Amino acid sequence: DADVTQTPRNRITKTGKRIMLECSQTKGHDRMYWYRQDPGLGLRLIYYSFDVKDINKGEISDGYSVSRQAQAKFSLSLESAIPNQTALYFCATSDHRGLGTGELFFGEGSRLTVL
Amino acid sequence: AQSVTQLDSQVPVFEEAPVELRCNYSSSVSVYLFWYVQYPNQGLQLLLKYLSGSTLVESINGFEAEFNKSQTSFHLRKPSVHISDTAEYFCAVSDKGTGGFKTIFGAGTRLFVKA
Repeated sequence: DADVTQTPRNRITKTGKRIMLECSQTKGHDRMYWYRQDPGLGLRLIYYSFDVKDINKGEISDGYSVSRQAQAKFSLSLESAIPNQTALYFCATSDHRGLGTGELFFGEGSRLTVL
Repeated sequence: AQSVTQLDSQVPVFEEAPVELRCNYSSSVSVYLFWYVQYPNQGLQLLLKYLSGSTLVESINGFEAEFNKSQTSFHLRKPSVHISDTAEYFCAVSDKGTGGFKTIFGAGTRLFVKA
């Protein structure tokens, strides 16, 4: 089983619908992240969480919200999806309880299409 | 602010030929440097990383990268590529002073290995 699991892997929805992408990890890491990947733009950080009570905006948080339900679970919501949110979304984790290096461990991605 | 520039968006190469994927970064602080690889329909996975010490780092599948502080570069090389190396490669940096937090990614380089 994957250490970082994302559901759903693929989703097609319509403009204005609410969408939730879920992420769970078995690595025991404290930090979790949501990234968005667009062709030619690399990965951009949407939200990150240091622990259950600490959630922070990334560089492109507008139109998104998150919830850290537990150490191992971090979900991303689009309250009212729009077509320019069509992208590949990645959840990632990292461990900063020791000597943090920023090494990230990724899920397999959730491809979202907003029509 | 940190930034990462990958100088080539696509690199086509014949099997068994050498390849170099270029990466330059800008940062006012000390950084950790990474190369991640994304195979088709998969998430990103760490290929190699520079944290400190020897400026030449190697991966288990024959890639190497050299940290050049004066040129602020971290180019990725392989002397002989295989078809299976076809993937997208991302260069990334994170700030050492924050324990490697907040990774910044380049836009990616697509490597096509042709038979």
